[in-house]
Amino acid sequence: DTEVTQTPKHLVMGMTNKKSLKCEQHMGHRAMYWYKQKAKKPPELMFVYSYEKLSINESVPSRFSPECPNSSLLNLHLHALQPEDSALYLCASSQETGGYEQYFGPGTRLTVT
Amino acid sequence: AQSVTQLDSHVSVSEGTPVLLRCNYSSSYSPSLFWYVQHPNKGLQLLLKYTSAATLVKGINGFEAEFKKSETSFHLTKPSAHMSDAAEYFCVVSRFGVTGGGNKLTFGTGTQLKVEL
Repeated sequence: DTEVTQTPKHLVMGMTNKKSLKCEQHMGHRAMYWYKQKAKKPPELMFVYSYEKLSINESVPSRFSPECPNSSLLNLHLHALQPEDSALYLCASSQETGGYEQYFGPGTRLTVT
Repeated sequence: AQSVTQLDSHVSVSEGTPVLLRCNYSSSYSPSLFWYVQHPNKGLQLLLKYTSAATLVKGINGFEAEFKKSETSFHLTKPSAHMSDAAEYFCVVSRFGVTGGGNKLTFGTGTQLKVEL
């Protein structure tokens, strides 16, 4: 099974709201990722977790806060977002971070009003 | 350093005809190379991967790609296009064998494949 699940599928939030995106994988992968994708563009890396520790933060604004509660789960906490943060947020996982293929979830379509 | 160039932003083919999506890469190291497909409002699906084994790689749904080191290319092909192949395709390079937090995927800008009847 190469499935990565993400919830919710769609999210609409105001600029003062707090919400969370969730991601889950049961492939035993030790690396998990958050990406942001704007329309007609490739995904942009936001965060990398390796063995449940944050290893890369691509200078993402603090209104995005990642969390890895265990090796199967990855959350992205959202607070005080801006309309330009509206995008498709993709979670991915891989066996390790050493050039292995990443498996992507279906994404959460986020709209900030 | 690594980079990837997808030579065509849009490709249009007729159903039943061959598909060729072109990708050139640059890498200072032994690369891993991947092709991903993304249908509208969906996540990315791995089509195939090259990680220093056989240079001709077969993937899902009849796609294949050939790693040519001398040409630094990794073109994606399919003998006969199907309507369901219409999607965005991304060529991706990574650095094989380096663990830890520093290894990232580098994406091409994507090729939109249109399949016409």
